[in-house]
Amino acid sequence: DAGVTQSPTHLIKTRGQHVTLRCSPISGHKSVSWYQQVLGQGPQFIFQYYEKEERGRGNFPDRFSARQFPNYSSELNVNALLLGDSALYLCASSLGGPNSGNTIYFGEGSWLTVV
Amino acid sequence: GNSVTQMEGPVTLSEEAFLTINCTYTATGYPSLFWYVQYPGEGLQLLLKATKADDKGSNKGFEATYRKETTSFHLEKGSVQVSDSAVYFCALSDRGGSNYKLTFGKGTLLTVNP
Repeated sequence: DAGVTQSPTHLIKTRGQHVTLRCSPISGHKSVSWYQQVLGQGPQFIFQYYEKEERGRGNFPDRFSARQFPNYSSELNVNALLLGDSALYLCASSLGGPNSGNTIYFGEGSWLTVV
Repeated sequence: GNSVTQMEGPVTLSEEAFLTINCTYTATGYPSLFWYVQYPGEGLQLLLKATKADDKGSNKGFEATYRKETTSFHLEKGSVQVSDSAVYFCALSDRGGSNYKLTFGKGTLLTVNP
């Protein structure tokens, strides 16, 4: 079975531009979470979606937004990119929602470089 | 707010050496605690977890015990192998029994030499 898949794997953007990152969860999983991992740091929680509704938001500015589609795939959007947005963006999926206790599975991430 | 502090790396060991990676946390309530591992070129994988005080999580020879009195969750392995070389992250969720909204430490790079 395919794991969590993310696209693109690498991309370079210019300051002020917009970026969309995509994530397909493991088949049957209904929850998707997004994390930002800056080089040398641990991942930081951005969003969690379950059954197409936002169930949690981390301490990120409004330039960051996300959505989940009827097939449970998800997009993370970042507007007005800053140099500090350069990071590895990780998507994770799990079978159930925030209180389920299910194991979450991470994708390999999308490397974003802002120049 | 929640926070996780891990020992600074990198850690370099010889094969069959004993491993300890320290992890302490600050959280409200009764968090669940996790160790994740990131092998080179791969995504994060759950290594082990503990959901309440005095629980011991174990997997692949690694162990960690949830110590509420010392707010710690140290990772140990009795005999490391070259294949254990990776970055190890300690993490917590403040929603008991859940993996919701994980807070991670900065990670510890482990290199095991033959």
